[in-house]
Amino acid sequence: DGGITQSPKYLFRKEGQNVTLSCEQNLNHDAMYWYRQDPGQGLRLIYYSQIVNDFQKGDIAEGYSVSREKKESFPLTVTSAQKNPTAFYLCASSGWTEAFFGQGTRLTVV
Amino acid sequence: AQSVAQPEDQVNVAEGNPLTVKCTYSVSGNPYLFWYVQYPNRGLQFLLKYITGDNLVKGSYGFEAEFNKSQTSFHLKKPSALVSDSALYFCAGRVTTDSWGKLQFGAGTQVVVTP
Repeated sequence: DGGITQSPKYLFRKEGQNVTLSCEQNLNHDAMYWYRQDPGQGLRLIYYSQIVNDFQKGDIAEGYSVSREKKESFPLTVTSAQKNPTAFYLCASSGWTEAFFGQGTRLTVV
Repeated sequence: AQSVAQPEDQVNVAEGNPLTVKCTYSVSGNPYLFWYVQYPNRGLQFLLKYITGDNLVKGSYGFEAEFNKSQTSFHLKKPSALVSDSALYFCAGRVTTDSWGKLQFGAGTQVVVTP
C-alpha cells in the first residue's frame, strides 16, 4: 500500500539461521520503521530510522539488526539470537503528515 | 512522554448501528493524528488523518473522526456499521514539534460487527 513493498510475503527459518526481510519505499519518505505483531496483539517497535545511515532501537530490538544505506531501503535481519522470531513483521515509512505500511511478512520457524 | 491510548480492546456493534472507536492522546505540542484499519494477515491501511483545520475529518469507507483538543481525543466514527467493517483498528499520533516525529501507536481495538 502507498508505495511500500515488503518481501517475501512468507518466510520460513530454520533454527540457528539468520534471515533478512526486505522493505522498499518509493514515497521519498525520510522515516522508516519495523514493527512486530504477534497473534491478536498490537504493534511493537523493533527499529526506526529518520535518516540514511542512522537508526534507533525500538522497544524490542534484541535479536534484530537493520541497515539504512539508501533512503528507499530499510532491511531487517532476524538473527539466531532472536529466540522466538515467529511473528508478522510490518514495515512503515512516513513523512511529516502521512505514514503508510507494507503488506507484511509472516516469518515462521521450522 | 508522548502516547496514544485506545481504552477498549474490543467493540461489538450490530450491523446498521453507529460505530465509535475511541482514541486519546497525550502530547506536549500539537499532534498529527491518524487512523488505520488492519484485516487479517494484511498490513495497515490508512483511513484518515488530522493535521490542522476542521476538527471533523472524513476518510475512507464512510469513516470520520473528530479531533477534540479539550478532551485530547480523536474518536473514529461511522454512522452505520457493516459486517465488513469487522477488523482491527489502530490510532496513531506524532508531535509536530518533535524533530524525530516518531509515530506512536495505540494498542488497537478489535471491532466486531454482527449481522
